[in-house]
Amino acid sequence: AQTVTQSQPEMSVQEAETVTLSCTYDTSENNYYLFWYKQPPSRQMILVIRQEAYKQQNATENRFSVNFQKAAKSFSLKISDSQLGDTAMYFCAFMKARYGAGNNRKLIWGLGTSLAVNP
Amino acid sequence: GAGVSQTPSNKVTEKGKYVELRCDPISGHTALYWYRQSLGQGPEFLIYFQGTGAADDSGLPNDRFFAVRPEGSVSTLKIQRTERGDSAVYLCASSRVAANTGELFFGEGSRLTVL
Repeated sequence: AQTVTQSQPEMSVQEAETVTLSCTYDTSENNYYLFWYKQPPSRQMILVIRQEAYKQQNATENRFSVNFQKAAKSFSLKISDSQLGDTAMYFCAFMKARYGAGNNRKLIWGLGTSLAVNP
Repeated sequence: GAGVSQTPSNKVTEKGKYVELRCDPISGHTALYWYRQSLGQGPEFLIYFQGTGAADDSGLPNDRFFAVRPEGSVSTLKIQRTERGDSAVYLCASSRVAANTGELFFGEGSRLTVL
């Protein structure tokens, strides 16, 4: 079974600074997707960034980037130039990437990290 | 619609009552998911629809929970004889299976409070 662990329940950062959120996971799968989702008080989960396990290059989306270490099963999120609007819960999630029957695209989630960006 | 729409946004009910939660996915998305998120937790998978059929309902906690998607679009999650432990935010998500990107698009959830 797959598990996702986020060891930082709460983090804080000053506006314009950089912060890194940790995520580790456990799986016997070779092909999978990893995600970071953001959940603001509105409750809507918003995709921040996505990584395909077969790609060695770390994904980047504007101020957001990941450090994907497949052998270590680590998937950390770096937020650069933090903004007040980045304040939210951040969830790391895992999904198998098998195709065809048997892949239901079920996300396995961590417990989340509450990030506060301070002015 | 432009995004996944869930109604009601908030529902307060009494123990033992029946509730229905509705999800209207993004147009053209054939896959639809229900997740449950308890306070301070990550979402927990409940059920996945591919078209009209439930492809995986292994996450439904017991037979009080049931979901339908009769025309392959709108889905309704039904909870009978509600219990206080059912209190949570129920999240719906959809995706275009053909795109195979693994990305889900979420609604804002329905917060259920059972008194």
